[in-house]
Amino acid sequence: EIVLTQSPGTLSLSPGERATLSCRASVSVRSDYLAWYQQKPGQAPRLLIYGASNRAAAIPDRFSGSGSGTDFTLTISGLEPEDFAMYYCQQYDRSPRTFGQGTKVEIK
Amino acid sequence: QVQLVQSGAEVKKTGASVKVSCKASGYTFSSSGMTWVRQAPGQGLEWLGWISIYNGNRKDAQKVQGGLTMTADTSTSTAYLELRSLRSDDTAIYYCARDNVVTPMFLESWGQGTLITVSS
Repeated sequence: EIVLTQSPGTLSLSPGERATLSCRASVSVRSDYLAWYQQKPGQAPRLLIYGASNRAAAIPDRFSGSGSGTDFTLTISGLEPEDFAMYYCQQYDRSPRTFGQGTKVEIK
Repeated sequence: QVQLVQSGAEVKKTGASVKVSCKASGYTFSSSGMTWVRQAPGQGLEWLGWISIYNGNRKDAQKVQGGLTMTADTSTSTAYLELRSLRSDDTAIYYCARDNVVTPMFLESWGQGTLITVSS
């Protein structure tokens, strides 16, 4: 199965700062079949990005995705208070679909 | 709007079975797929499997030791996940999520989650 490794495990930043989250795949993810999700405590995950760089409906443009092959990045251009949460990447190129272990973005 | 409403929390004994339901509304259920994901306490997300509501095709991650069965009832727009021979490490929140009808892809709409607690 494709293993996704997210880094860093925890990102401590202040509101307004830029967050850069990494997701590295064990093998190349074809067709950029890579998604990003945000999860807050006690809530279901929410889709942010699909196809590596396409924002899902109603997602603010401060969220952007990039990358291809084995290296993908989620960037939050200016952190708002509601952005402090867990973030997961997911590949949907091959079965079984897999998630990364997550990156926690916390308030510094 | 798309809504997925899951059944309530359950406590089960080791070795028992459990069936989680996920009632869909706001879209054409039979023209979609459903994926199941679980999250153990304090842990990350684990993809369990997908079913095409249209033709019954399935993909299973083989993550559940005791086995799982995914089914759907188009007459009630409800998907089901049954877990058998439950173990303590099956304790988790189980989510359903609307997916593609042909092959599992990204997950745009999620249920609220169902907590399954397994104890001896």
